[in-house]
Amino acid sequence: GAVVSQHPSWVICKSGTSVKIECRSLDFQATTMFWYRQFPKQSLMLMATSNEGSKATYEQGVEKDKFLINHASLTLSTLTVTSAHPEDSSFYICSARDQRAGTPNEKLFFGSGTQLSVL
Amino acid sequence: QKEVEQNSGPLSVPEGAIASLNCTYSDRGSQSFFWYRQYSGKSPELIMFIYSNGDKEDGRFTAQLNKASQYVSLLIRDSQPSDSATYLCAVNDYKLSFGAGTTVTVRA
Repeated sequence: GAVVSQHPSWVICKSGTSVKIECRSLDFQATTMFWYRQFPKQSLMLMATSNEGSKATYEQGVEKDKFLINHASLTLSTLTVTSAHPEDSSFYICSARDQRAGTPNEKLFFGSGTQLSVL
Repeated sequence: QKEVEQNSGPLSVPEGAIASLNCTYSDRGSQSFFWYRQYSGKSPELIMFIYSNGDKEDGRFTAQLNKASQYVSLLIRDSQPSDSATYLCAVNDYKLSFGAGTTVTVRA
């Protein structure tokens, strides 16, 4: 089946630094990728929809200048947490839709997630 | 985002028993419904999806959908300790909206 690779798996950084998370679709092209955030014992919250070649669409309450998304190719989307603070510590997960499948809804594949800890 | 409600649990069942998980959603126009399993520190993995009213069975899992009541459930038969995880209900018309998840513990 299709695979979505997310890197790094975990990162620890100092407050005020920026962290970049990569999400790659390994064997399919993804014009759309989704970025989620999950705090402990809470559900996944959609942050933004990443669109190849155009600006990302952010959910209400998500600061686009703080969470920079770049989807420059059909297989790579990146999320950069700028000037990270302890409250940004969370589990970030990307997902990508395999549009080869024909029936899009269930063909959504998740990356393995990135645990971000900001000191 | 669409509201998706789940009982957070924890739901504790003995090995071999049936675990029953429930989910309600707010948008009557929703068409696609998913159940994901998530182990601690891992990303979700798809268990079942259902589009039509009624039951859908896949191995030990059965999803049930009632659009009139805006209700979707998941039954896990012959529960195994490896089924211990958090189960997320999700609703999708293009992008997924997740419930908070129900934590299931299967006692050996």
